[in-house]
Amino acid sequence: QKEVEQDPGPLSVPEGAIVSLNCTYSNSAFQYFMWYRQYSRKGPELLMYTYSSGNKEDGRFTAQVDKSSKYISLFIRDSQPSDSATYLCAILSDYKLSFGAGTTVTVRA
Amino acid sequence: KAGVTQTPRYLIKTRGQQVTLSCSPISGHRSVSWYQQTPGQGLQFLFEYFSETQRNKGNFPGRFSGRQFSNSRSEMNVSTLELGDSALYLCASSLGLRDWVGNEQFFGPGTRLTVL
Repeated sequence: QKEVEQDPGPLSVPEGAIVSLNCTYSNSAFQYFMWYRQYSRKGPELLMYTYSSGNKEDGRFTAQVDKSSKYISLFIRDSQPSDSATYLCAILSDYKLSFGAGTTVTVRA
Repeated sequence: KAGVTQTPRYLIKTRGQQVTLSCSPISGHRSVSWYQQTPGQGLQFLFEYFSETQRNKGNFPGRFSGRQFSNSRSEMNVSTLELGDSALYLCASSLGLRDWVGNEQFFGPGTRLTVL
């Protein structure tokens, strides 16, 4: 079993829709939860990170962590075609960084 | 400020050959990490170099090796290539060791390796 499992997608949504991305993890010692965005032919870039259960907002993006269920989510409100990319969750624990496989999102104009 | 650069961007090799990939980190960054990205397995950590020393290693066979030079530039070598080595190889640099959230990793665009 992989330490971080991510819903594979792909997802295709119309412009303005809410995008919901999810990951589960197995190690309860995981401490930091991150989301990366990767555009085609580019490397991943850090979108946001959090370390506690609950929600963290950054503009149209909300990261949600539920440590009791070992579940993390990323929500994108009012999605734009420029949000079309692959989104990867990443979790840091005990000096080990583990990535999900990524979910490819396409926002249709 | 220049980002992380990787060369070459695309590479085609045949089984049994070896390949060397190069990574130039952001100026001032001392840590360089290498990852393999495939559709099925996602992003998998290969190894990390800091101050010319390998500090962390993922679960890859010994055919995968790397090194870091005194100017922090890094190279990754894969010997006896297999079809399954076809992937996007990403390099990331950070100020310090990667496994601390305070040390954000900045990724290069990757080298797309195809093994025929």
